[in-house]
Amino acid sequence: GQNIDQPTEMTATEGAIVQINCTYQTSGFNGLFWYQQHAGEAPTFLSYNVLDGLEEKGRFSSFLSRSKGYSYLLLKELQMKDSASYLCASMDSNYQLIWGAGTKLIIKP
Amino acid sequence: GAVVSQHPSWVICKSGTSVKIECRSLDFQATTMFWYRQFPKQSLMLMATSNEGSKATYEQGVEKDKFLINHASLTLSTLTVTSAHPEDSSFYICSQGAGEAQEQYFGPGTRLTVT
Repeated sequence: GQNIDQPTEMTATEGAIVQINCTYQTSGFNGLFWYQQHAGEAPTFLSYNVLDGLEEKGRFSSFLSRSKGYSYLLLKELQMKDSASYLCASMDSNYQLIWGAGTKLIIKP
Repeated sequence: GAVVSQHPSWVICKSGTSVKIECRSLDFQATTMFWYRQFPKQSLMLMATSNEGSKATYEQGVEKDKFLINHASLTLSTLTVTSAHPEDSSFYICSQGAGEAQEQYFGPGTRLTVT
């Protein structure tokens, strides 16, 4: 079956770095996506990885290892506004997104 | 990225009535749009894929006669929740794919409360 696993909740301190892990098992693979979702709002697109390695975009970076079925989202210089849920999604061979349940990130001052 | 709007942003209706939610693509012609539902503290659940000019493709377990989808133009898809019940209360979000990766861009969502 198809499955996405990510931690339910994480806590970090303002100014610090946090890494949110995601493992996936999908029928085929056409990319790994990360989305941010603030409470009560719709998700917003953060990053896309289809090749192995690290993609950096400002304070956010995303890593992919296809052989391990593993990705992580790295957030640096955490700000209070980064408190949100972070959704990992894998695109399968039918170009359909398989969504993880999301990781709720709590930032403490 | 693409800009997607939804209307209404929130709606309260009585049990047994129908509610229509509109999803508009403001800067992109979308042949395909996606409808999701999200219950509190749960992940997104894909309900159906809306195809312009043809029938929607529903996910397993989603009643097509209850959740009517119409995609009559390249910029507008609608979801009608018919004979709504309190268990239909949820956050409904539409999205469209755009960009090289066909990443999905979401509308702001519609919060439906059925009393």
